[in-house]
Amino acid sequence: GQQVMQIPQYQHVQEGEDFTTYCNSSTTLSNIQWYKQRPGGHPVFLIQLVKSGEVKKQKRLTFQFGEAKKNSSLHITATQTTDVGTYFCAAIHGSSNTGKLIFGQGTTLQVKP
Amino acid sequence: ETGVTQTPRHLVMGMTNKKSLKCEQHLGHNAMYWYKQSAKKPLELMFVYNFKEQTENNSVPSRFSPECPNSSHLFLHLHTLQPEDSALYLCASSQANRGGYEQYFGPGTRLTVT
Repeated sequence: GQQVMQIPQYQHVQEGEDFTTYCNSSTTLSNIQWYKQRPGGHPVFLIQLVKSGEVKKQKRLTFQFGEAKKNSSLHITATQTTDVGTYFCAAIHGSSNTGKLIFGQGTTLQVKP
Repeated sequence: ETGVTQTPRHLVMGMTNKKSLKCEQHLGHNAMYWYKQSAKKPLELMFVYNFKEQTENNSVPSRFSPECPNSSHLFLHLHTLQPEDSALYLCASSQANRGGYEQYFGPGTRLTVT
């Protein structure tokens, strides 16, 4: 079945350093979404990318969708302690019109003050 | 964030008990989902309902039984669970025919099976 691989699984950074998590698929994705889950919380939708090569920014967060629509990345510039949490990518399964998302394993970010 | 609510927030049950988890969405969405989140595992989709019809059952054991009486409410009935079923159970909703499918999650029910 379709899988979405996400790396790294964990990342520890010093506050102020940058952070990047990567999401890869063996098949072409129709779109990709990113979610953030704070410790003890639930996943919260961040953004959706649809177009090949698309780049979107939210303050210090930059999201990219690969030209082949098989990979995506989330980059955080100058991390802060509020960025702590697990970041998940998720993709629509094939041509599903039921909203079935396949989630990556997540990258857990720890930020040392 | 009160768009999707779940009750109870915490549940401890024995393997012979029967309990139900409840989810309610106030966003006017037409699709609802149950996910299981275990420690060190990705989110596992369990069930999908579109317009109250179950469209996905991700090989979930029959000891989990979903019910969707209308597009705003979703239940997960539990019976004769196993300790390995202990996890965070998350409900989500989305507007499935809009193409975006961004999902809005509830706070989850932390289930412990003893």
